[in-house]
Amino acid sequence: ILNVEQSPQSLHVQEGDSTNFTCSFPSSNFYALHWYRWETAKSPEALFVMTLNGDEKKKGRISATLNTKEGYSYLYIKGSQPEDSATYLCAGGSEKLVFGKGTKLTVNP
Amino acid sequence: GAVVSQHPSWVICKSGTSVKIECRSLDFQATTMFWYRQFPKQSLMLMATSNEGSKATYEQGVEKDKFLINHASLTLSTLTVTSAHPEDSSFYICSATYRGLSTDTQYFGPGTRLTVL
Repeated sequence: ILNVEQSPQSLHVQEGDSTNFTCSFPSSNFYALHWYRWETAKSPEALFVMTLNGDEKKKGRISATLNTKEGYSYLYIKGSQPEDSATYLCAGGSEKLVFGKGTKLTVNP
Repeated sequence: GAVVSQHPSWVICKSGTSVKIECRSLDFQATTMFWYRQFPKQSLMLMATSNEGSKATYEQGVEKDKFLINHASLTLSTLTVTSAHPEDSSFYICSATYRGLSTDTQYFGPGTRLTVL
C-alpha cells in the first residue's frame, strides 16, 4: 500500500526567506510524483509531475527534486512571498494518486 | 487552460436527503474523473474513479449505493450522496485527467463542503 508522508505539517517563514519541505514515499514500484499548491477556497494547482530519478524541475521561484531510490522529493521556494502562502500537497501513484496530508506554508510580510 | 469547475461550493442539508455535486471540465475533454473526500486534518482520499460511459470504480470501503457516480459525458461527472447522514459531512473534491504528453496530470475543481444536519 502506497503511503505518502509530508513534513513539516506546517511552516511559518518571513517574506524573503527561502524554505523547503519534504515528501517521502516507498521507493519500490515508483511511477510518478506530483506536487500541487492549494490556496484556500481555490482549486489545487498542479506544479510538477516528476518521474525520473534525479529529476529537477523549476517554475519561477519554486523548484523540486526527486530521488526515487531513497523515496523522497524536496520542494524549494526561493525568496518566499506572502502569495506563496498555501498548502503544498504531494501525491504518488500511477492513474490513482495517493496524497500526503500536505505542508501548510504561511509567509509573513 | 485545464479548468475544472465544481458545483455547489457548499451545501447544507437535512439528514436523509440526497445531495448532487457536479464536476465539469470546462476547456478540455476528460478521459477520467476522480472523486476524493477529505476529513479535517486528513489527506485527500480517493473515493472512486469515473470513466465516461462506464460504471465507476469504487475504492475499498466506499459504498457504491451511497455515493452514486454518473459520468454522462467527457466533460461532466456527478456525485450523489444518497440519504445523507451527519457522518457524510466532509469536503468532496473532483479531478479530471487531461491526457498529456507523458504522465497524466489531474486537474482539480475547487471542492464542495457538505454539512449534513
